[in-house]
Amino acid sequence: GAVVSQHPSRVICKSGTSVKIECRSLDFQATTMFWYRQFPKQSLMLMATSNEGSKATYEQGVEKDKFLINHASLTLSTLTVTSAHPEDSSFYICSAGATGLAKNIQYFGAGTRLSVL
Amino acid sequence: SQQGEEDPQALSIQEGENATMNCSYKTSINNLQWYRQNSGRGLVHLILIRSNEREKHSGRLRVTLDTSKKSSSLLITASRAADTASYFCATDAGANSKLTFGKGITLSVRP
Repeated sequence: GAVVSQHPSRVICKSGTSVKIECRSLDFQATTMFWYRQFPKQSLMLMATSNEGSKATYEQGVEKDKFLINHASLTLSTLTVTSAHPEDSSFYICSAGATGLAKNIQYFGAGTRLSVL
Repeated sequence: SQQGEEDPQALSIQEGENATMNCSYKTSINNLQWYRQNSGRGLVHLILIRSNEREKHSGRLRVTLDTSKKSSSLLITASRAADTASYFCATDAGANSKLTFGKGITLSVRP
């Protein structure tokens, strides 16, 4: 149980295009989802916390107009990197926490590697 | 900002040996967790220890927590090549709060 699916696993795009990443909880309802960014050989940096039906809470220094987050249902959150540039190239990971499951444990997707040319 | 600081940053051991990884943190916590990440993949939850607990076991894993020193250790006994991964400690301040991850430890287990 507690499976989180993240799609796509890899995307290569041209500079200026927008990229959407989906994060789905497959067998539980995710009241809260988290989006992280990870640079090579570094830790996870929390970008934003997404609660179903409300606006995401962004961490300091993260541009909300650049990284659009939508959490329209209890099983789906999306992150859209708008007008991507090479400096946006990174590994993006989502996670989900859920009511009813151990509240403080997060279940992670497999990550999306974004390469912007 | 980073809360946990793990040490060592990299650890290389022979299969069958035990691996000990340490984590220190700065602020008060509700829980401390350890996660594992295989290269290029997401994280997998290993074990959670609450602030009022001192030790916890799960299979080959043993976690200790010393809140007076703001530190935790993760022991993997009888390591296997498949244990090769990065290990992160993460702390939280309460129910449904965000996790703050440490920098991670890269463990290599040589067959």
